[in-house]
Amino acid sequence: DVKVTQSSRYLVKRTGEKVFLECVQDMDHENMFWYRQDPGLGLRLIYFSYDVKMKEKGDIPEGYSVSREKKERFSLILESASTNQTSMYLCASTPRRGWGWNEQFFGPGTRLTVL
Amino acid sequence: GEDVEQSLFLSVREGDSSVINCTYTDSSSTYLYWYKQEPGAGLQLLTYIFSNMDMKQDQRLTVLLNKKDKHLSLRIADTQTGDSAIYFCAESTGNQFYFGTGTSLTVIP
Repeated sequence: DVKVTQSSRYLVKRTGEKVFLECVQDMDHENMFWYRQDPGLGLRLIYFSYDVKMKEKGDIPEGYSVSREKKERFSLILESASTNQTSMYLCASTPRRGWGWNEQFFGPGTRLTVL
Repeated sequence: GEDVEQSLFLSVREGDSSVINCTYTDSSSTYLYWYKQEPGAGLQLLTYIFSNMDMKQDQRLTVLLNKKDKHLSLRIADTQTGDSAIYFCAESTGNQFYFGTGTSLTVIP
C-alpha cells in the first residue's frame, strides 16, 4: 500500500513563527503536491514538485515556500505564519508524469491553527 | 486554475440513492475523478472516468459524464451511513489536478 505521511495531525503556532510541515511518501513517486483545504473553497494547490529540487507555484503560493531535497520528502514552509493561514494542509503524491491516468495519494492532513 | 463547481451539502435517507453533481470548465480534461474524504482523513480515490466515456459503473457507484455540458455526476445506490463523507470531483490536465469545492453528504438513518 502506498503511504503518504505528514509530520503532525494538529499544530498550533503563533503569528510570526516559522512553520515547517513535512510530508513523506514511500513509493518512489515523482510528483508531490501541497494543498490547503478550507470549507466552501475545496482544495487549492499551493505548490507542486515534479522532481528533486524542482518546484512549481500553484494557485495560492503567496506566504509559502517549499523544499524538495530528497525524492520522498516534500516540505511546506510558512516563513512568518499569519492567522489567515489557519487551515487544513494536505500533501499528495502521484506515481508518474505525463498525460495519462493518474491517482493522487493523500496524506491524512495537518490541521494548523495560527493564533 | 480551472473552475470545478459542486453544491456544498446533500442529505439523503439510508437506502435511497444519492446523486452528487459537478460542473467543470476545461474541455481538454483527459480524466475526471471522484474522491471521498471521511472525517479527519485525507482524500481517497473512489472512481474515475476517461473523457471519451459516457458512463462507468462500479458496484454501487455510477458515474455519468456529459462532455457537451461539462457535467459529471456520481450516483450512489442504496446509500449507507458509512457513505457519509465529503465527495470531491476533480479533473486532470497533464500533471495538475483541479478539485471541486466538495459536497458534504449526510445519510440520515
